[in-house]
Amino acid sequence: AIQMTQSPSSLSASVGDRVTITCRASQGIRNDLGWYQQKPGKAPKLLIYAASSLQSGVPSRFSGSGSGTDFTLTISSLQPEDFATYYCLQDYNLYTFGQGTKLEIK
Amino acid sequence: EVQLVESGGGLVQPGGSLRLSCAASGFTFSSYEMNWVRQAPGKGLEWVSYISSSGSTIYYADSVKGRFTISRDNAKNSLYLQMNSLRAEDTAVYYCARWGAFYDILTGDYYYYMDVWGKGTTVTVSS
Repeated sequence: AIQMTQSPSSLSASVGDRVTITCRASQGIRNDLGWYQQKPGKAPKLLIYAASSLQSGVPSRFSGSGSGTDFTLTISSLQPEDFATYYCLQDYNLYTFGQGTKLEIK
Repeated sequence: EVQLVESGGGLVQPGGSLRLSCAASGFTFSSYEMNWVRQAPGKGLEWVSYISSSGSTIYYADSVKGRFTISRDNAKNSLYLQMNSLRAEDTAVYYCARWGAFYDILTGDYYYYMDVWGKGTTVTVSS
């Protein structure tokens, strides 16, 4: 099974900051990776698919990059509504989520 | 409005059974592959099971293989998860999620993602 190692597990940042979250796959997964945002008590929301494609309606401050084994999610300028937990998901071989990154207000 | 609504969760004793349902509306359910994803209290997301649009292809996570059965009824726009031999570690919020696809006409590639999620139903396994 493909393992997804996400880092950091938690992150404190301020409104306006630029933040980066990383996912590393245990083997190459091409660009078969998505990023999801989850707020407490809510279902996950798709942000990025195919590693770097922005889902319709998602603000352009979110961006994704990477291919193969290393991927990043970047939020260019944090907004108050961005404080949430973020997950990567590989679908190259079945499905595996990363452990999640909790983004908290500093 | 595109919508998924889960139901069927509840409290069940270890070793018991439960059947979850997911009602789809606002889209052509029979055209989409579907998944179940769960989240234990205070933990991350865990993929549970996948079913193709016709129901002919099914996959399970190792943690539920042999105990859970995914199925669908396209005539009723519904997805199901039959859960048997339940354990305490199956306690979680269970989400159904649509496996959407985007066709890039420029590259000829298909891209896939879980684009629509229900609000979840809570399963608690405890004596």
